[in-house]
Amino acid sequence: EPEVTQTPSHQVTQMGQEVILRCVPISNHLYFYWYRQILGQKVEFLVSFYNNEISEKSEIFDDQFSVERPDGSNFTLKIRSTKLEDSAMYFCASSAGINSYNEQFFGPGTRLTVL
Amino acid sequence: KNQVEQSPQSLIILEGKNCTLQCNYTVSPFSNLRWYKQDTGRGPVSLTIMTFSENTKSNGRYTATLDADTKQSSLHITASQLSDSASYICVVSAGGGSYIPTFGRGTSLIVHP
Repeated sequence: EPEVTQTPSHQVTQMGQEVILRCVPISNHLYFYWYRQILGQKVEFLVSFYNNEISEKSEIFDDQFSVERPDGSNFTLKIRSTKLEDSAMYFCASSAGINSYNEQFFGPGTRLTVL
Repeated sequence: KNQVEQSPQSLIILEGKNCTLQCNYTVSPFSNLRWYKQDTGRGPVSLTIMTFSENTKSNGRYTATLDADTKQSSLHITASQLSDSASYICVVSAGGGSYIPTFGRGTSLIVHP
């Protein structure tokens, strides 16, 4: 069964460093998403992406964040200068369609720890 | 502001017992409500989706209900199994052109043998 994959599973970085989180969405999906979940908190939407551009983004997704689909398979989230409060689990998701009736399939997540 | 509240925060039951998880939401305009199961260290997996006109939907031992008038939903798990131990998250999507879902904090369910 096709699934969303994410690498690395755990990333440790120093405050102020840049990190890139990688995701491979399900191959025939066209819509991609990033979410984050701070330990003990609820999942929060960051950004949705379609046709090589951002469809929607939340208040969390400020200028420190960027997304890219550098090739036909990868979808990345870059944090330019990490802060302690960026420590969280980051989930990538993909769906076949954009409306909320289309199920989003989530990857296993990348745990980002900022020291 | 759109909000989703879940109760209880955590629940411990014995294997084979039934349980019911609650979700209250203030999302407008309402489009649909999903229940997700999130195993520890994994991404959420959708169990059910319900729209405004649906009252009940089942997926195996999981049965979700929706009361759109009171803006409440429940997830009933029948004959619980050890593998049901997970966080169950209620997610509500609004209509009106935005596809940003609102997540609840989840109910952590532990099933003991």
